[in-house]
Amino acid sequence: GDSVTQMEGPVTLSEEAFLTINCTYTATGYPSLFWYVQYPGEGLQLLLKATKADDKGSNKGFEATYRKETTSFHLEKGSVQVSDSAVYFCALNQQGGSYIPTFGRGTSLIVHP
Amino acid sequence: DVKVTQSSRYLVKRTGEKVFLECVQDMDHENMFWYRQDPGLGLRLIYFSYDVKMKEKGDIPEGYSVSREKKERFSLILESASTNQTSMYLCASSLSLGTTYEQYFGPGTRLTVT
Repeated sequence: GDSVTQMEGPVTLSEEAFLTINCTYTATGYPSLFWYVQYPGEGLQLLLKATKADDKGSNKGFEATYRKETTSFHLEKGSVQVSDSAVYFCALNQQGGSYIPTFGRGTSLIVHP
Repeated sequence: DVKVTQSSRYLVKRTGEKVFLECVQDMDHENMFWYRQDPGLGLRLIYFSYDVKMKEKGDIPEGYSVSREKKERFSLILESASTNQTSMYLCASSLSLGTTYEQYFGPGTRLTVT
């Protein structure tokens, strides 16, 4: 079956540092890929998505590129802020297939001033 | 914007009590989901529903049941709460057609069973 693997956290950075959170997936066909973010005490919200190979999703300074050759969708941000401290989930959905997503286990990001 | 609301943010119940968690979405989504979230385990799907009165078991349905009498409302029921059901419960919804099935989540209910 489908699976998503994320780097384990927590990832601890200083403000204005560069962020990468790795995500790789195993799936048949051509899934859509997502990053969700969960701020403390809240539910998840969609951060960005990409639906086909080489697409780049972006939002709030975060970016991720759909790399089919390496089955990856790494999340990056050039300069993190304290307010980016949250848990980040990588996920996939099969296009035209089940609408139940497959989630990674989440990566906690802690940004210090 | 899609809004998903959950009936309680925090809930404390005693072992053996019947517990109802309610979820309402306001964007006419066909699909609704209940997850529980535990440290180190990520999100685990309890039940989902793709239409009114329809329900399907997820990965961990034991000890839970659900009800969907109206399209906008999806209830999770703990028939007899136990301490191992202490967790964060998240409701989500999504469209069936014409989208990439991205999910919209409620704020969560942190349930403590004592």
